[in-house]
Amino acid sequence: NAGVMQNPRHLVRRRGQEARLRCSPMKGHSHVYWYRQLPEEGLKFMVYLQKENIIDESGMPKERFSAEFPKEGPSILRIQQVVRGDSAAYFCASSHTSGGAGSHHTQYFGPGTRLTVL
Amino acid sequence: GENVEQHPSTLSVQEGDSAVIKCTYSDSASNYFPWYKQELGKGPQLIIDIRSNVGEKKDQRIAVTLNKTAKHFSLHITETQPEDSAVYFCAASIEDMRFGAGTRLTVKP
Repeated sequence: NAGVMQNPRHLVRRRGQEARLRCSPMKGHSHVYWYRQLPEEGLKFMVYLQKENIIDESGMPKERFSAEFPKEGPSILRIQQVVRGDSAAYFCASSHTSGGAGSHHTQYFGPGTRLTVL
Repeated sequence: GENVEQHPSTLSVQEGDSAVIKCTYSDSASNYFPWYKQELGKGPQLIIDIRSNVGEKKDQRIAVTLNKTAKHFSLHITETQPEDSAVYFCAASIEDMRFGAGTRLTVKP
């Protein structure tokens, strides 16, 4: 059973370009979470999605950032007009359920995409 | 929303000693508390978790304790080994997960 897959592992973009980060959840998982990690810092929640729905985007910057999780295919985190401050590691995690009383919602992480903006 | 604080930010121990990392959380409704280990250049890996109906859980050299009244939980690693060196993150969850800032553990041989 393959784990969470992310690609590309490394992405280099020039300022003003677009970055697309992909995440394929574990088999059977329908919940996806995106996190950003700056060097020497913790994981900052960005967005939580289920198939075709954004459940919580409270951690997403209001501009330039968007996320989707279509019915078919991987989840995509899209950053438009990248700036140097967007350079970070972006991690995706997936879970079988989202939680709630008595349910199991362990999140399993992918290896991350390291974005460098020149 | 939930706020998780983690201490210490760095921890250095001698091989064979114990290491303890502590976290506090703000939302009393949080009911799930995982711990992750992150090695350099890799994604976080779940090492142990505990739910709010349990006070303590142990898995070989790793144990986690939870005090719901005080809203804090701790990770204990006994008989530390150099390969335990990594960054450890605690998290608290109701629906979404919020992470502590991490503890860089160094185990000196």
